[in-house]
Amino acid sequence: GDSVTQMEGPVTLSEEAFLTINCTYTATGYPSLFWYVQYPGEGLQLLLKATKADDKGSNKGFEATYRKETTSFHLEKGSVQVSDSAVYFCALSDDYKLSFGAGTTVTVRA
Amino acid sequence: NAGVTQTPKFQVLKTGQSMTLQCAQDMNHEYMSWYRQDPGMGLRLIHYSVGAGITDQGEVPNGYNVSRSTTEDFPLRLLSAAPSQTSVYFCASRAGTGIANEKLFFGSGTQLSVL
Repeated sequence: GDSVTQMEGPVTLSEEAFLTINCTYTATGYPSLFWYVQYPGEGLQLLLKATKADDKGSNKGFEATYRKETTSFHLEKGSVQVSDSAVYFCALSDDYKLSFGAGTTVTVRA
Repeated sequence: NAGVTQTPKFQVLKTGQSMTLQCAQDMNHEYMSWYRQDPGMGLRLIHYSVGAGITDQGEVPNGYNVSRSTTEDFPLRLLSAAPSQTSVYFCASRAGTGIANEKLFFGSGTQLSVL
């Protein structure tokens, strides 16, 4: 079945550093791809999405491009802040079911 | 708007006990689902519903029951709790089908411990 693999954490960065979280997927069709973020003690919330190949999703300084040729959807941010400390989940949508990666914990230090 | 509301936030059970996790949404969403979150495994789908009276199994349905008698409510029942069900449970909803409705709205979670 469809699945998502994302880089393992935890990731610890200094403020203003560049962040990349790798995500690759396996799918038989053409799923939509997502990044969700979970702040401490909260539920997940949608960060960005892309619905077809070469689409770029962006939000709050984060970006990810849907790469069909490499089956990837890597998350990037050019300059992280302490407030970006969270767990990040890559996910894909297969009709009614959303499949999540294992999550990557990111800690940003001042 | 309250969004997706889950109760309780924390629960401790003994092995063999039963309980119901409550989930309600006030957005008139057709689709509702339950996930469990375990370290290193991400979120796994337990059950989902595409409308009142319709439910289906997800990836890890064993040991859990659901029903959907109204659009607003989607309770998750543990029939006989086991330590393997210790987890954080999230309820999530979305408006319906199609690309325009793919965004999931999550509740704040229920942390369940089974001793």
